[in-house]
Amino acid sequence: GQQLNQSPQSMFIQEGEDVSMNCTSSSIFNTWLWYKQDPGEGPVLLIALYKAGELTSNGRLTAQFGITRKDSFLNISASIPSDVGIYFCAGRVSGTGNQFYFGTGTSLTVIP
Amino acid sequence: SAVISQKPSRDICQRGTSLTIQCQVDSQVTMMFWYRQQPGQSLTLIATANQGSEATYESGFVIDKFPISRPNLTFSTLTVSNMSPEDSSIYLCSTARMNTEAFFGQGTRLTVV
Repeated sequence: GQQLNQSPQSMFIQEGEDVSMNCTSSSIFNTWLWYKQDPGEGPVLLIALYKAGELTSNGRLTAQFGITRKDSFLNISASIPSDVGIYFCAGRVSGTGNQFYFGTGTSLTVIP
Repeated sequence: SAVISQKPSRDICQRGTSLTIQCQVDSQVTMMFWYRQQPGQSLTLIATANQGSEATYESGFVIDKFPISRPNLTFSTLTVSNMSPEDSSIYLCSTARMNTEAFFGQGTRLTVV
């Protein structure tokens, strides 16, 4: 399957700080998604991006679809304790069967 | 977004046995997928469940080990066959409509002893 490199692997931040994580692929994607997964749960969709250059916000979350269509980033502003979890990017390769491939994940810890 | 229900939510199974996981969606969806998430790891796509035809498997996954059914547009099953401890993982059902985002069930946490 496709390889998506996600960084950083883990982050430990103080409450109130901003967070940034990114994802890169070896293939051109037509869709980028960002998910959050809490322990014992399935991934929950945060933001969906469909066009190169697109910048989309969802509350304190902002994500962008890279111009090259091979990367995306997610920013979280003014982090709070409930932001703790694992964040995954996912991408869909152009011209394939609509399946998504996932990044390696970023584990976020917010210190109150 | 579709509501996806998976059963069972967790199970502990003996090695050598098989477990069938069910995925029910509350509306008709074009695409259904099965993923595996090993402990502390990311999600790996097992296969695309095709309605009315054989599933499409990703490299490293075979039908004999992970047979999949999809009798209609709202239901699919994944069987983990002849289980070994290495099969201990979370198995996740996912759905998507053409060119839209994907949604997930809560997953099935499988432990093989």
